[in-house]
Amino acid sequence: AQSVTQPDIHITVSEGASLELRCNYSYGATPYLFWYVQSPGQGLQLLLKYFSGDTLVQGIKGFEAEFKRSQSSFNLRKPSVHWSDAAEYFCAVGYAGNMLTFGGGTRLMVKP
Amino acid sequence: GAVVSQHPSRVICKSGTSVKIECRSLDFQATTMFWYRQFPKKSLMLMATSNEGSKATYEQGVEKDKFLINHASLTLSTLTVTSAHPEDSSFYICSARAGQVSYEQYFGPGTRLTVT
Repeated sequence: AQSVTQPDIHITVSEGASLELRCNYSYGATPYLFWYVQSPGQGLQLLLKYFSGDTLVQGIKGFEAEFKRSQSSFNLRKPSVHWSDAAEYFCAVGYAGNMLTFGGGTRLMVKP
Repeated sequence: GAVVSQHPSRVICKSGTSVKIECRSLDFQATTMFWYRQFPKKSLMLMATSNEGSKATYEQGVEKDKFLINHASLTLSTLTVTSAHPEDSSFYICSARAGQVSYEQYFGPGTRLTVT
């Protein structure tokens, strides 16, 4: 069965510092990979997605993610974090034509 | 484009009553809609998948008689929580998929249900 693991439940970084959020997946076929961000009490906003092609994908708000098949990973990165980036981040894998499996989420806190 | 709305955003109801939550795709036709439940500080758990004009497919452990899903049109799906109890209090999020090819889902803003 497919699964998505986000090893870090909480991460705190200083404003202006770089950020990497980890995501590992277990899925037998070619994955469709997503990163979403959720602000408190809000729905999910798509940051970026990988379907095929270039393994380094650019998203909104200055985020990027790199698909590494050999490591079954799809880590999210940002070179310089802003206070407004504080939120919950979810990695997800698409499978079976239309389903998504979500990781447990990583809560990002940004120190001034 | 690809906006999904939910109504209401918050609802408080008494135990034993039923509550209906609407999910609408505003600028596209959604052949498939999904309903998720999110507990505090937890991830999203898929409850059911609904295709327009057919019965919803429920995930294991989700009571279909308690969580009634109707997808009567290509822009509207509803989730009715019947005979609600305090343990049904949660954040319910819907999403919509535009076509058969794209795996991308567009999420609504969520509905906070509190059962007293």
